Amino acid sequence: DVKVTQSSRYLVKRTGEKVFLECVQDMDHENMFWYRQDPGLGLRLIYFSYDVKMKEKGDIPEGYSVSREKKERFSLILESASTNQTSMYLCASNSYSLYNEQFFGPGTRLTVL
Amino acid sequence: KNQVEQSPQSLIILEGKNCTLQCNYTVSPFSNLRWYKQDTGRGPVSLTIMTFSENTKSNGRYTATLDADTKQSSLHITASQLSDSASYICVVSDEYGGATNKLIFGTGTLLAVQP
Repeated sequence: DVKVTQSSRYLVKRTGEKVFLECVQDMDHENMFWYRQDPGLGLRLIYFSYDVKMKEKGDIPEGYSVSREKKERFSLILESASTNQTSMYLCASNSYSLYNEQFFGPGTRLTVL
Repeated sequence: KNQVEQSPQSLIILEGKNCTLQCNYTVSPFSNLRWYKQDTGRGPVSLTIMTFSENTKSNGRYTATLDADTKQSSLHITASQLSDSASYICVVSDEYGGATNKLIFGTGTLLAVQP
């Protein structure tokens, strides 16, 4: 079974703090993704990566950066957390395939006070 | 603009009853459509995937249908159980195994099954 894990289920940070969200997948997938999920808005793509050290902006990259130093690990960084970044953050991964199905991690509920 | 719209927004049914969730999309080109189930506080898990040539796909008590002409899909849940309480998300892909893997997400239908 594909397994995507995220470093924290719940996280509480203060405004202005630097926040790291970690994601690890164990299926040797080329592609990894970071989404945020807010009520009434669905999942929105923040960044994705299709190879080590490669990254592409998604629909809402402002205020975020990412790092992919190893194939299995994709990190989301909030350089200076703000209250409007309070959200559920979901990591996903997949490989190039006919259906390009994405497999999701359990999510990190981030609260910025 | 590529969009996926789901209805209803929320639904309450009694255990053992059937229900149908709707998804309309305006995505072009169309590659495939999937339904995901997301339990509260968890990540989405895939239920079914259909390409334009498939008009029905089942996974246990879940049956998805697709009408590529009218750009509509439905998810039918038979003999509902308390564990079916979750958000159901319709997702459409406009790429055929492409590098960017662009997915367009609906906002989901929140289903509550009551005893």
